[in-house]
Amino acid sequence: DAGITQSPRHKVTETGTPVTLRCHQTENHRYMYWYRQDPGHGLRLIHYSYGVKDTDKGEVSDGYSVSRSKTEDFLLTLESATSSQTSVYFCAISTDLVYGYTFGSGTRLTVV
Amino acid sequence: GESVGLHLPTLSVQEGDNSIINCAYSNSASDYFIWYKQESGKGPQFIIDIRSNMDKRQGQRVTVLLNKTVKHLSLQIAATQPGDSAVYFCAESRGSYIPTFGRGTSLIVHP
Repeated sequence: DAGITQSPRHKVTETGTPVTLRCHQTENHRYMYWYRQDPGHGLRLIHYSYGVKDTDKGEVSDGYSVSRSKTEDFLLTLESATSSQTSVYFCAISTDLVYGYTFGSGTRLTVV
Repeated sequence: GESVGLHLPTLSVQEGDNSIINCAYSNSASDYFIWYKQESGKGPQFIIDIRSNMDKRQGQRVTVLLNKTVKHLSLQIAATQPGDSAVYFCAESRGSYIPTFGRGTSLIVHP
């Protein structure tokens, strides 16, 4: 999807284990975002980044942390996965905070 | 690929018909609106956008209408095709704030 790759595409993990999802872009966009998508909800913002080492919380950030050590990579970590974090996770990139979002293909995470 | 399509309003149409997908937004101060299409197994994809100083904007086979009085947005798809089957959702933004996304509507196009 236009230079944005998410990995892994699918993951099953056990409750209490740490999990890291990776978003990689080749577009050199300043902004990167992590969303979760659940039945009955729209996309909900977890965290976003506005530059290397610059991140901020979204509306559903509890239980998640992020890191951006390079422009091209944005990592989402669940320190201790819970069943409520079973979801589809999408990464997005943009050159502007409001306009021109490009989304990755998503990661389906199941916490058992 | 990933998708979510459960628990969504559904619109079923015949191929060749026009489709109208509606969205009610929440913030009267929102000044920018976007429609996205999400096909099964893929991430959301930008379709068309509109600013609050406009009532209507047309793209290729799609038209977005904005009614600020009742905080309503609609997406019209002309001559709907099977490839239009997807989940469609709107997003709203105010000023320089990150857009917030609606739940979406599932469009099913029957041949």
